Amino acid sequence: DSGVTQTPKHLITATGQRVTLRCSPRSGDLSVYWYQQSLDQGLQFLIQYYNGEERAKGNILERFSAQQFPDLHSELNLSSLELGDSALYFCASSPRTSGRGELFFGEGSRLTVL
Amino acid sequence: DAKTTQPNSMESNEEEPVHLPCNHSTISGTDYIHWYRQLPSQGPEYVIHGLTSNVNNRMASLAIAEDRKSSTLILHRATLRDAAVYYCTPWEAQGGSEKLVFGKGTKLTVNP
Repeated sequence: DSGVTQTPKHLITATGQRVTLRCSPRSGDLSVYWYQQSLDQGLQFLIQYYNGEERAKGNILERFSAQQFPDLHSELNLSSLELGDSALYFCASSPRTSGRGELFFGEGSRLTVL
Repeated sequence: DAKTTQPNSMESNEEEPVHLPCNHSTISGTDYIHWYRQLPSQGPEYVIHGLTSNVNNRMASLAIAEDRKSSTLILHRATLRDAAVYYCTPWEAQGGSEKLVFGKGTKLTVNP
C-alpha cells in the first residue's frame, strides 16, 4: 500500500461524457502527478501540482484539466470523452521536488469509454 | 525529454542475479536516474535512484556509468515476485518544472 488513494477504481462511460478522477496523496506530500497509461502509448506524464500550484505540464489534452485543492487532494477532469481516452490513469505523490525522492503511485483508475 | 533505451524483454532464472541495462545518453548532468517497476494491474513502484555514484538499497543496486550515459539495475537474487516491467526514467527538472519521463521499459520474466 503506497498510501496514495485513487477513486473510482473503475469507471465505464460513453463518448461525449465528462468524468472526474480523484486522488488523495500520502499524508504530508505536497506534490501530485498525473499519468495516463494506455496499451499503445505507455505511461504518459500529464501534469504536476505542488502545494496547489501547477508546476509542470506534459501531453495533456485541452479537454482535460486538473487542480489541487488546499487539503492537497487532486482531481483530474476529463471531458468530451473519446474512445481513445480509455486508459489507466495514475496519480502519484511525493514529499518534495528535485528528484531526490521517490514517487508513490496509487493503484490507478481504469476508464473505459464506450 | 531525455530519451532512454532499454531491451524490450529479458529472462532470468529464480535466485540468479539479473542485470537490467538502460541507455540515457541525452540525460542532463543534474537529472537523477530513477528506476521503477510495474507489476500487472498495479501502479509503478519505486526501486532505486541515483545521480553519479552507485547506490544500494534493500531491493536492488544501481550502477551508473562514469559518463552517466548508461546505468544498470542489479537484482542480486531474482524471485518470482520480481517479474515485472522495469522502467529506467530520468527525473527531468527545468525551470521549476519536474517530472519522470517513462519509456517502454523492460519486461522481466523470472523462471522457476
